[in-house]
Amino acid sequence: DAGVIQSPRHEVTEMGQEVTLRCKPISGHNSLFWYRQTMMRGLELLIYFNNNVPIDDSGMPEDRFSAKMPNASFSTLKIQPSEPRDSAVYFCASRRTGLGETQYFGPGTRLLVL
Amino acid sequence: GENVEQHPSTLSVQEGDSAVIKCTYSDSASNYFPWYKQELGKRPQLIIDIRSNVGEKKDQRIAVTLNKTAKHFSLHITETQPEDSAVYFCAARSVSNFGNEKLTFGTGTRLTIIP
Repeated sequence: DAGVIQSPRHEVTEMGQEVTLRCKPISGHNSLFWYRQTMMRGLELLIYFNNNVPIDDSGMPEDRFSAKMPNASFSTLKIQPSEPRDSAVYFCASRRTGLGETQYFGPGTRLLVL
Repeated sequence: GENVEQHPSTLSVQEGDSAVIKCTYSDSASNYFPWYKQELGKRPQLIIDIRSNVGEKKDQRIAVTLNKTAKHFSLHITETQPEDSAVYFCAARSVSNFGNEKLTFGTGTRLTIIP
């Protein structure tokens, strides 16, 4: 099992540019979560999907952020336009509902917006 | 919504001694409480979890206790080793009226084991 896969692992971009983060959940997992981690705010849930459907996006900071899950094996988190305050580590996590509650985290994408 | 408070924010312990990290939660309906360990530059990894129908769970040197009445749960690490140095996060899972599940994390405890 390869675990949750995220790409890119590091991203440096300039303010105003579009950023797309990608996630492949563990095969067979049907819930997917996007988190943001910063020193100031800790680990925050941005959005989560159940069976590819967005369930709770109340953590998405503003309209510049959007997330999609076109199929069970792929999700994207997009920031457009990016701002320096978006700099953070973005984690994707997945789990299988019904059989256990453990969320498995991906390695994260470290984003720096200059 | 759920609110999770975690203490202390930093903890230094002599190697071989025990470490205790405490969390409180606000939503009495929360039913699942995992603990994650995050080493520098790495992903959070689950180390132990407990469900609301259990008061205590142990896995080798790690144990978690839950007091539902007080809405309080704790992580205990015994015989600490240098590799236990990391940031530890507690979390509580709440379920909304619409059936939405959400893990709310504490702010983390940076544990340093002094050799």
